[in-house]
Amino acid sequence: GENVEQHPSTLSVQEGDSAVIKCTYSDSASNYFPWYKQELGKGPQLIIDIRSNVGEKKDQRIAVTLNKTAKHFSLHITETQPEDSAVYFCAANSPSWAGGTSYGKLTFGQGTILTVHP
Amino acid sequence: GAGVSQTPSNKVTEKGKYVELRCDPISGHTALYWYRQSLGQGPEFLIYFQGTGAADDSGLPNDRFFAVRPEGSVSTLKIQRTERGDSAVYLCASSPTGLGTRDTQYFGPGTRLTVL
Repeated sequence: GENVEQHPSTLSVQEGDSAVIKCTYSDSASNYFPWYKQELGKGPQLIIDIRSNVGEKKDQRIAVTLNKTAKHFSLHITETQPEDSAVYFCAANSPSWAGGTSYGKLTFGQGTILTVHP
Repeated sequence: GAGVSQTPSNKVTEKGKYVELRCDPISGHTALYWYRQSLGQGPEFLIYFQGTGAADDSGLPNDRFFAVRPEGSVSTLKIQRTERGDSAVYLCASSPTGLGTRDTQYFGPGTRLTVL
């Protein structure tokens, strides 16, 4: 099955700096890579995703890059703010078959605790 | 619109007891997923429903765990003879169709289960 590795496990930055979180995956058939932000006591919230037919996607201060050949993808947050502090999870969606149809099964990384100091 | 909701938010039970955890998906979403998140870890897949049927239950750890979705909307995760190792946050997610591999999953706030 799919295996997703995420680094670093903790990341501490000053407000205004950039933050980068990296993930690798093992299943070359994976074709959808979402990133989730989880605040204390809450469920994961989707912040950005990328599909395998593109190499980069940006949404304001957040960007994600994908290198299919190397099987790794990264989250980039620019101009960090204290409210960006949270746990971030990457995930890879690998095709699975169930009930005669194809569906995507998400495998998550271990998470990165991001702390942005004012 | 309303997101995925889960009840209760917290559940404390004693070893050996039976518990039920409820999930209300986003209206109209046909796919529903249960995940388990242990402290300091990412969510781990338990089961996937397509409509009323459990299309993939390969993540359920053993036969003490069971889930239903009788009308294709609300789902209940049932745990029999709870053990201390079952303590975790149980997350529910839904997606519009579940079909194909690029369907975005939206998560609920989770139920924190503590087995004493």
